[in-house]
Amino acid sequence: EAQVTQNPRYLITVTGKKLTVTCSQNMNHEYMSWYRQDPGLGLRQIYYSMNVEVTDKGDVPEGYKVSRKEKRNFPLILESPSPNQTSLYFCASSSGFLEQFFGPGTRLTVL
Amino acid sequence: DAKTTQPPSMDCAEGRAANLPCNHSTISGNEYVYWYRQIHSQGPQYIIHGLKNNETNEMASLIITEDRKSSTLILPHATLRDTAVYYCIVRTTRNSGGSNYKLTFGKGTLLTVNP
Repeated sequence: EAQVTQNPRYLITVTGKKLTVTCSQNMNHEYMSWYRQDPGLGLRQIYYSMNVEVTDKGDVPEGYKVSRKEKRNFPLILESPSPNQTSLYFCASSSGFLEQFFGPGTRLTVL
Repeated sequence: DAKTTQPPSMDCAEGRAANLPCNHSTISGNEYVYWYRQIHSQGPQYIIHGLKNNETNEMASLIITEDRKSSTLILPHATLRDTAVYYCIVRTTRNSGGSNYKLTFGKGTLLTVNP
């Protein structure tokens, strides 16, 4: 089954404690992306990757890092999380302009 | 990418057709109309897309006006599970070297299907 998986699905952490949210897709897609969703602000892109070792900033990259060492994986790294990064995070993948597949989401709370 | 306008909310009776409108009066010739939906806090789900011809798949139909300034997503027999926020997105498919395939989500239409 074609899918995008994210882990963990829920996470409560404290300010400053480094964390990684993993994203994996099984469709051999070149393109992967991270979004965050906040009430009243909608979905905003954090980072994206056009292919292995090719990443670039989206609209709200501050406080986040990503890496793309393998085609299937695109982890989102928060080196020093802060409360304003409390959000619902989605990973997505696609082959070009065709439909994007989204993961189930990771709900992060930073205390 | 062109801006879209959708009503904030709509209601539909279960079993009836749901017709969701979208205005995109500034759409340009190389821009497609995409529809996604998001069931409460789940990841957005692709529904359908089109350029100028009407499109149909197993989920929905997409009707685009001849001048392409507006479109309607039709769910032919809405069920309770179709209750979701529906997003109309217009974007180019012209990739000029290194372009981002970002989807720009607006506020969408909250469709509530009532029993």
